[in-house]
Amino acid sequence: AQSVTQLGSHVSVSEGALVLLRCNYSSSVPPYLFWYVQYPNQGLQLLLKYTTGATLVKGINGFEAEFKKSETSFHLTKPSAHMSDAAEYFCAVIITNKLIFGTGTLLAVQP
Amino acid sequence: NAGVTQTPKFRILKIGQSMTLQCTQDMNHNYMYWYRQDPGMGLKLIYYSVGAGITDKGEVPNGYNVSRSTTEDFPLRLELAAPSQTSVYFCASSYWPGDELGYTFGSGTRLTVV
Repeated sequence: AQSVTQLGSHVSVSEGALVLLRCNYSSSVPPYLFWYVQYPNQGLQLLLKYTTGATLVKGINGFEAEFKKSETSFHLTKPSAHMSDAAEYFCAVIITNKLIFGTGTLLAVQP
Repeated sequence: NAGVTQTPKFRILKIGQSMTLQCTQDMNHNYMYWYRQDPGMGLKLIYYSVGAGITDKGEVPNGYNVSRSTTEDFPLRLELAAPSQTSVYFCASSYWPGDELGYTFGSGTRLTVV
């Protein structure tokens, strides 16, 4: 069973536009949630995480995500896209002591 | 701090050959993991280890073996390489699986089996 679902394998936005990358999870207990970014030919870098407490979490490079338990979602947003944001983004969740990844969303930023 | 170091960065293998992907971490993390990344599939967990001498299977363990003789090292072994093992392999480590600091990843090994 898929524990993490990322809607949209490819997302394209214009520079300066809002970035919205969607992530839904399935878990019977409150999970730890993460967003990672992967730039071309590089490893994974942690963008932000939710564990407990405030449901709106801020990460690096102006990204933020909101944990919505009622919607089992953890969508990633950025108010204004930069060309340097072009990368692949992975949502991940820790379930049964394993870090499980979504299939990724490739973000393209058009000038 | 070097973090998680993987070698080699690139490798081409012929079908049936064997090789070991090396992974070393210097953060004294108990837990270490091997993932493979395929286009459109995200990252799949191959094997993980909870400490020296203890390993367990992940989602896609077939065709691979691991060992953990020290806290620092977690090598991944391919015994009989197959084209289906063409992938990018990432090693990661953490203090514990639910570590709210997240996992630290290596820079990856790109393997092609021809």
